[in-house]
Amino acid sequence: EVQLLESGGGLVQPGGSLRLSCAASGFTFSNYAMSWVRQAPGKGLEWVSAISGSADSTYYADSVKGRFTISRDNSKNTLFLHMNSLRAEDTAVYYCAKPKVTGSYSVDVWGQGTTVTVSS
Amino acid sequence: DVVMTQSPLSLPVSLGQSASISCRSSQSLVYSDGKTYLNWFQQRPGQSPRRLIYQVSNRDSGVPDRFSGSGSGTDFTLKIDRVEAEDVGIYYCMQGTHWPLTFGGGTKVEI
Repeated sequence: EVQLLESGGGLVQPGGSLRLSCAASGFTFSNYAMSWVRQAPGKGLEWVSAISGSADSTYYADSVKGRFTISRDNSKNTLFLHMNSLRAEDTAVYYCAKPKVTGSYSVDVWGQGTTVTVSS
Repeated sequence: DVVMTQSPLSLPVSLGQSASISCRSSQSLVYSDGKTYLNWFQQRPGQSPRRLIYQVSNRDSGVPDRFSGSGSGTDFTLKIDRVEAEDVGIYYCMQGTHWPLTFGGGTKVEI
């Protein structure tokens, strides 16, 4: 069974940093692109970033470009999101997601999410 | 970016009745391979989103056949027949044809 387990969320001050992790199991991790999607309190869904299976390609939403870095450790089946210069508007539940088929960047299977709160 | 516009924002329905959600994109969602990457997600209260429909009209495994998707180009619809209590939640369309992936604003289905 595919499982995606996010962790690392918490309360951070504006301008601070945080690293999110997503532990994956139940599939060959390195064969799949992975993504982060966020949902601000009471709001809709916003795609944040994606990374290819081999980590040689990365993509970012304009809202986080230059501040967030996506990475992965295929030996540990773990996806990361390094978040710097955090702003109040980055407050959200952050989900990691994977496609159901290889070769796709879709967000078809989601974890349970981890909550990031940016506040002084 | 491709803008995905859903309507209505809120959809009160009675048990056993049908519900229909519209999703329009600001650009055609037909990819160069001829496929249309339009998905529908359901988010029940307190849960993560779950994909229901992919490529406009294909139901995911385990999704009741009460759910159906249709449309083409820039105009898409999710229909729920014989609404049940477990269908309460927010429904999102999402396009995967153009970067970045973008979602509709959501439609809240309530009994």
